[in-house]
Amino acid sequence: DAKTTQPNSMESNEEEPVHLPCNHSTISGTDYIHWYRQLPSQGPEYVIHGLTSNVNNRMASLAIAEDRKSSTLILHRATLRDAAVYYCILRDQRNYGGSQGNLIFGKGTKLSVKP
Amino acid sequence: DTAVSQTPKYLVTQMGNDKSIKCEQNLGHDTMYWYKQDSKKFLKIMFSYNNKELIINETVPNRFSPKSPDKAHLNLHINSLELGDSAVYFCASSQALWQYKEETQYFGPGTRLLVL
Repeated sequence: DAKTTQPNSMESNEEEPVHLPCNHSTISGTDYIHWYRQLPSQGPEYVIHGLTSNVNNRMASLAIAEDRKSSTLILHRATLRDAAVYYCILRDQRNYGGSQGNLIFGKGTKLSVKP
Repeated sequence: DTAVSQTPKYLVTQMGNDKSIKCEQNLGHDTMYWYKQDSKKFLKIMFSYNNKELIINETVPNRFSPKSPDKAHLNLHINSLELGDSAVYFCASSQALWQYKEETQYFGPGTRLLVL
């Protein structure tokens, strides 16, 4: 399986940018990189995804290394509401006994935002 | 309007009881999922249904039985509840069964199950 490695936790100050790293050295050539986040006591929510090029949306930016072995989720101005666990996930499309395309969550990075 | 909704939000019950959790999505999606998040916060897929048909069953005890009356609903019935079933259960939906790697999933708010 292509796996991801993220720091367990990070801290940020409100209004400052946050860079959340993710290593995925065994990523396959066609794996997409997805980011979800889980706010306290809520279900996960989609943040952003990409393949090779950097991506921007209203929530965040995704910077993907040229060799695709790592990526960084960028929150341009952290707010208190951004305090959550952030998951970096590779789309696993291989078939394990009928399981296809599972969304496999790791431990994620717990982001704390200080006022 | 809530895209993916679950009821109940909290469920406290005794060991050995049978309970159901309901999930509805109003996104017109074809695929729905059940995930379990344990006390260590690991989130793991349990089942997925595509157009009312079971696609994924991830080594879940037979006491767990999903039922999909229509594309918009996927309920989870649990027989003979055990202490280890205490967890947060999340329902999710997506347009297709992750056939496209860009597909995203939309999660419900979760049902917090406590078995005493």
